Amino acid sequence: EAGVTQFPSHSVIEKGQTVTLRCDPISGHDNLYWYRRVMGKEIKFLLHFVKESKQDESGMPNNRFLAERTGGTYSTLKVQPAELEDSGVYFCASSQGITGSAFFGQGTRLTVV
Amino acid sequence: KNEVEQSPQNLTAQEGEFITINCSYSVGISALHWLQQHPGGGIVSLFMLSSGKKKHGRLIATINIQEKHSSLHITASHPRDSAVYICAVRSGANSKLTFGKGITLSVRP
Repeated sequence: EAGVTQFPSHSVIEKGQTVTLRCDPISGHDNLYWYRRVMGKEIKFLLHFVKESKQDESGMPNNRFLAERTGGTYSTLKVQPAELEDSGVYFCASSQGITGSAFFGQGTRLTVV
Repeated sequence: KNEVEQSPQNLTAQEGEFITINCSYSVGISALHWLQQHPGGGIVSLFMLSSGKKKHGRLIATINIQEKHSSLHITASHPRDSAVYICAVRSGANSKLTFGKGITLSVRP
């Protein structure tokens, strides 16, 4: 069974450009989470989907970040326009129920120059 | 102060040593996760626990709910155990995780 997969693994973009990150959760997992680690800091929560609905988006930094999960399958996280402070590693995780074990993707390393 | 604190920040051990990594948290939790990340790799869940103790191979995780403290023990450590070990907690009805900064473990042959 495939695990959580994220695309791309790395992305280097210029300040002001747009980047879209994708996460494919484990099949059948209704819960999908986005997290981010900025260099030197702990991993922090961004948002949580239950199927296609945003359950909690309290961690989204600002309105330059837009997450979607059309049809309750894969999710995308778009950053537009990107700023230097958006650099970091973006992790996606999925779980079957909210109390289940979380399975993480490999992460997308985003560098904004 | 972060809700989840890990100590020590960095740890170096000799192959074969018994290793303990600690995690303290300041909020009420419904579950605590121990996660592992190898250099250049993704995050792997080692344990999820809400009470007592769990064991998997050479790894043992314990939690003391009253003291808000958890430990991860590695017996007969090996260089392949070198990784970042991250403690994360889930609070109450929330399902999102709150993470510690992680501890970088290096096991020397």
